[in-house]
Amino acid sequence: EAGVTQFPSHSVIEKGQTVTLRCDPISGHDNLYWYRRVMGKEIKFLLHFVKESKQDESGMPNNRFLAERTGGTYSTLKVQPAELEDSGVYFCASSQGLAETQYFGPGTRLLVL
Amino acid sequence: AQSVTQPDIHITVSEGASLELRCNYSYGATPYLFWYVQSPGQGLQLLLKYFSGDTLVQGIKGFEAEFKRSQSSFNLRKPSVHWSDAAEYFCAVGAGTGNNRKLIWGLGTSLAVNP
Repeated sequence: EAGVTQFPSHSVIEKGQTVTLRCDPISGHDNLYWYRRVMGKEIKFLLHFVKESKQDESGMPNNRFLAERTGGTYSTLKVQPAELEDSGVYFCASSQGLAETQYFGPGTRLLVL
Repeated sequence: AQSVTQPDIHITVSEGASLELRCNYSYGATPYLFWYVQSPGQGLQLLLKYFSGDTLVQGIKGFEAEFKRSQSSFNLRKPSVHWSDAAEYFCAVGAGTGNNRKLIWGLGTSLAVNP
């Protein structure tokens, strides 16, 4: 069974540009989470989807971040326009049930110059 | 507020030595507790988890952790460290109720292993 996959693995963009990160969860997992780790800080929750619905987006930093989960399958996280402080590693995770283990992808390393 | 504290940012041990990584949490209800590991160039891998029941939990790669409610701790242990254990270790608590189960994370502990 394939694990959680994320694309791209790395992205280097200039301030003001747009970047879209993609996450493909484990097949059959209704729950999908996005997290971010900024250098030197703890991993922080961004948002949680249950199927195609946003269950909790309390961790989204601001309205420059837009997450979608089309058809309850893969998810995208768009940053527009990107700022320097958006640099970090963006992790995606999925779980089958709400109280179940979250399985993580390898992360996308975003660098905004 | 819910939080997780990993007091040790960096630890160095010799190969074959025992290891204990500390984790303290602050959470009002019965917590779901996790340890994840991130090896260089890899993603986050689950080592072990505690949901309920036996407070001593066995995980992969020879790791174990003990949940101590009175101390709000969930320390990770391994009796004999291998060079391949060099990685960053994260403690997390599953927070929320109902349909919300986000993870609250500690800062992580970076483990170096001397040959």
